Amino acid sequence: EAGVAQSPRYKIIEKRQSVAFWCNPISGHATLYWYQQILGQGPKLLIQFQNNGVVDDSQLPKDRFSAERLKGVDSTLKIQPAKLEDSAVYLCASRSISKDTEAFFGQGTRLTVV
Amino acid sequence: GNSVTQMEGPVTLSEEAFLTINCTYTATGYPSLFWYVQYPGEGLQLLLKATKADDKGSNKGFEATYRKETTSFHLEKGSVQVSDSAVYFCALRNNFNKFYFGSGTKLNVKP
Repeated sequence: EAGVAQSPRYKIIEKRQSVAFWCNPISGHATLYWYQQILGQGPKLLIQFQNNGVVDDSQLPKDRFSAERLKGVDSTLKIQPAKLEDSAVYLCASRSISKDTEAFFGQGTRLTVV
Repeated sequence: GNSVTQMEGPVTLSEEAFLTINCTYTATGYPSLFWYVQYPGEGLQLLLKATKADDKGSNKGFEATYRKETTSFHLEKGSVQVSDSAVYFCALRNNFNKFYFGSGTKLNVKP
């Protein structure tokens, strides 16, 4: 079974530029999550999708971050404009809607804003 | 609210030593509990899980028991190996399928 795929693996941009991350979840997983992991901290949820609908985006800085999940499969997360404090690893995870299942994580995209 | 607190690291042990990483949680409802492991440059991998009180999750020699009375899910291993060096995250999933993570505990195992 293929895992969660994310791209790119690494990205370096200047502040005020824009950037986009892509995620392809495990086939058949209805729930998709985007997490931000700042160095030395645990992952923090940015947004949670169920199919192509948003379940929770309360922690998403909507003035600069946006995310979509067209057709309930792939997802993109965008930052525009980026700030220095956005430097982090952005993790995508997916989960089956079956009871008692865990979230499966991709390898993440390491973003450095200079 | 929901939150997870785990012991700060780094934890440095010699090979074959006994490992305990403490984890406590605060949750509404009946959460499921997880331990994830993160190796350098990689995403999080599930290590073990427990879905209800008194359940014991186990995998690769690691164990953790869901203790509702103490709201804890401590990770243990009887004999660590160098290959266990990684960052370990305790997490809970609430009734809305939202995951909350602790801050992580880095484990260094020396030969």
